[in-house]
Amino acid sequence: KNQVEQSPQSLIILEGKNCTLQCNYTVSPFSNLRWYKQDTGRGPVSLTIMTFSENTKSNGRYTATLDADTKQSSLHITASQLSDSASYICVVSRRFYYGGSQGNLIFGKGTKLSVKP
Amino acid sequence: ETGVTQSPTHLIKTRGQQVTLRCSSQSGHNTVSWYQQALGQGPQFIFQYYREEENGRGNFPPRFSGLQFPNYSSELNVNALELDDSALYLCASSRPGRVRHNRGNEQFFGPGTRLTVL
Repeated sequence: KNQVEQSPQSLIILEGKNCTLQCNYTVSPFSNLRWYKQDTGRGPVSLTIMTFSENTKSNGRYTATLDADTKQSSLHITASQLSDSASYICVVSRRFYYGGSQGNLIFGKGTKLSVKP
Repeated sequence: ETGVTQSPTHLIKTRGQQVTLRCSSQSGHNTVSWYQQALGQGPQFIFQYYREEENGRGNFPPRFSGLQFPNYSSELNVNALELDDSALYLCASSRPGRVRHNRGNEQFFGPGTRLTVL
C-alpha cells in the first residue's frame, strides 16, 4: 500500500533554534516529493519539491533532503521563528495515476511544530 | 496566494442537511481535486475532475458528489450530512496535461472551507 509516515507527530522548540522533521514513504511509482506548510484551518502551501534525481532543495530557512534509495526525506528549519508554528506535511506524488482510491498524491499526517518565545 | 479560491470559508449545518462547497481553480488549470481533512489528520482524497469528468475517486460514499464546469470551477456536494463530515474541505487545481500520465503536475491548494455539522 502507498504510504507516507512522518515523525515526530508534534514538536515544541524555542525561537531561534533549528529542527528537523522526518518523512518515510513507500509510494510507487515515485514522481516527486513535496513539503507543505499548513497553518491551522488554512490550505497547505508548498515549500519545496524534489524529484528522484534531486537530493536537496532550499527555500530560505527551509532545506529539504531526499534519499530515493532509502525512501526518506527530511525538512530542516534553521533559526526558527514564531511564524513557523504550523503543521508540515510531506506529500509524495505517484508518477502515473490510473484512478484508484488514493489519488495521485499520498499525504503524510503531518508534524505539528510549535515555536515558543 | 495560490489563485485558488473556495467559498464559503466557514459553514455550520445540522445532521441530515445538504451542503454545496465551491472552488475556483487557478487560471489555466483544468484539473480540480477535492480533499477532506479531519482535525490533526492529513488530507484524504475525495475525488478529482479533469475537463468536467470525474477522474478518480477515494473511499467516500455516493452522498459525496461533484461537478466541474466549463470554466473548470468545481462544486462538492454532500447529502445527508453526518457528524463525522465535520472537517476542512480543500480543493486543489493543477496545470494542463493528462492527469492519467501525471508527471508530477503540482497541485495548488485553496484556503479551504471549514464545515461543522451539529
